[in-house]
Amino acid sequence: EIQMTQSPSSLSASVGDRVTITCRASQRITTYVNWYQQKPGKAPELLIYSASDLQSGVPSRFSGSESGTDFTLTISSLQPEDFASYFCQQTYSTPWTFGQGTKVEIK
Amino acid sequence: QLQLQESGPGLVKPSETLSLICTVSGGSISSTNYYWGWVRQSPGKGLEWIGRIYDSGSTYYNPSLKSRVTMSIDTSKNQFSLKLSSMTAADTAVYYCVRHRVSRLLDPWGQGILVTVSS
Repeated sequence: EIQMTQSPSSLSASVGDRVTITCRASQRITTYVNWYQQKPGKAPELLIYSASDLQSGVPSRFSGSESGTDFTLTISSLQPEDFASYFCQQTYSTPWTFGQGTKVEIK
Repeated sequence: QLQLQESGPGLVKPSETLSLICTVSGGSISSTNYYWGWVRQSPGKGLEWIGRIYDSGSTYYNPSLKSRVTMSIDTSKNQFSLKLSSMTAADTAVYYCVRHRVSRLLDPWGQGILVTVSS
């Protein structure tokens, strides 16, 4: 089973800040990484797929990148509606696995 | 717009079998481009992918749960279901049904149903 180590587990940031969240895979997984946003009491929603492709309707301030086994979600300018939890997921091999999540809070 | 809705009990006794149904609306469950599955979320274990089922009935289960999981699909009702046997407190979680694209995306998700295991 592939492990996805996500960091940080939480962060505090201000509106307008640039935010970076990282997931490290336990082995090579090419670009089979998805990112999800989850707001309290709601289901996760797909933000980015294939490491860097933006899901339709997602604002362009969200972006994803890959470097080897490290995957990064970046929010270029944090907006009030972005305060939420974020999860990475690998779909390179079954069982698909998720990172533990990053909670983005208001500073 | 495709929507998924979970239904089932919110409380299950230890050792019993959980049965959940996911009803799909706004689109057909029969498609070569999609399959259907379940994910659960608990405070202790985070998000855990349970498995998936094709409209043909072919399944794949997470090995960690395989001995206790059964999924089925009813294309005539546009529904698929999850059964998880021998429930324990560790199975307390929010259970989501999710559409899986063949491109390995999970989208959309149902709203989730909280299942508590307690006597």
